[in-house]
Amino acid sequence: ETGVTQTPRHLVMGMTNKKSLKCEQHLGHNAMYWYKQSAKKPLELMFVYNFKEQTENNSVPSRFSPECPNSSHLFLHLHTLQPEDSALYLCASSQNNRAPTYGYTFGSGTRLTVV
Amino acid sequence: AQSVTQLGSHVSVSEGALVLLRCNYSSSVPPYLFWYVQYPNQGLQLLLKYTSAATLVKGINGFEAEFKKSETSFHLTKPSAHMSDAAEYFCAVSESNAGNMLTFGGGTRLMVKP
Repeated sequence: ETGVTQTPRHLVMGMTNKKSLKCEQHLGHNAMYWYKQSAKKPLELMFVYNFKEQTENNSVPSRFSPECPNSSHLFLHLHTLQPEDSALYLCASSQNNRAPTYGYTFGSGTRLTVV
Repeated sequence: AQSVTQLGSHVSVSEGALVLLRCNYSSSVPPYLFWYVQYPNQGLQLLLKYTSAATLVKGINGFEAEFKKSETSFHLTKPSAHMSDAAEYFCAVSESNAGNMLTFGGGTRLMVKP
């Protein structure tokens, strides 16, 4: 258990489905992140939230919609995805303004397959 | 702006041999440096970090890394590889004036042969 919990661990969805990924942390962190990890590609930062406010959106397609209702929870809502969106989606958290010395804590990820 | 380069996307060593994974960084201010390990279908786990104290940093599982400012490097080493070390390793850098952003390298996959 890393302190950051992601559910579900695996998800298979059709291109017309709507699903959501959930991330939860009880580490007292106030910054949360979504990363996409595809085979043979570097880690891609998608979104950053600080104190529930979105501070980064790395040109992510609108079919990915993040939501951060509080500092402990982060969602990624998915709709009309494409097969190339199949990847491991990683959530991370950090203590805001202390990440430079403390780094991030990652969840185990959700393996998403779009069919 | 900060950046990280990991030389060699794949490294293969024999069990018991020295592990050396290379990381070079670019930073406009004194950096903080991290190594993470990722096992298959898992998230990233912190191995060790440099935060301007001792230049030789010891981490978990027998790994260590040395910060060399003159070479802008933070290479990861382990004297004797175990089969269980097979994983992907990521180097990351952050700067004190970059808020809470880490920049990750492209990763190096370590394979350990019996």
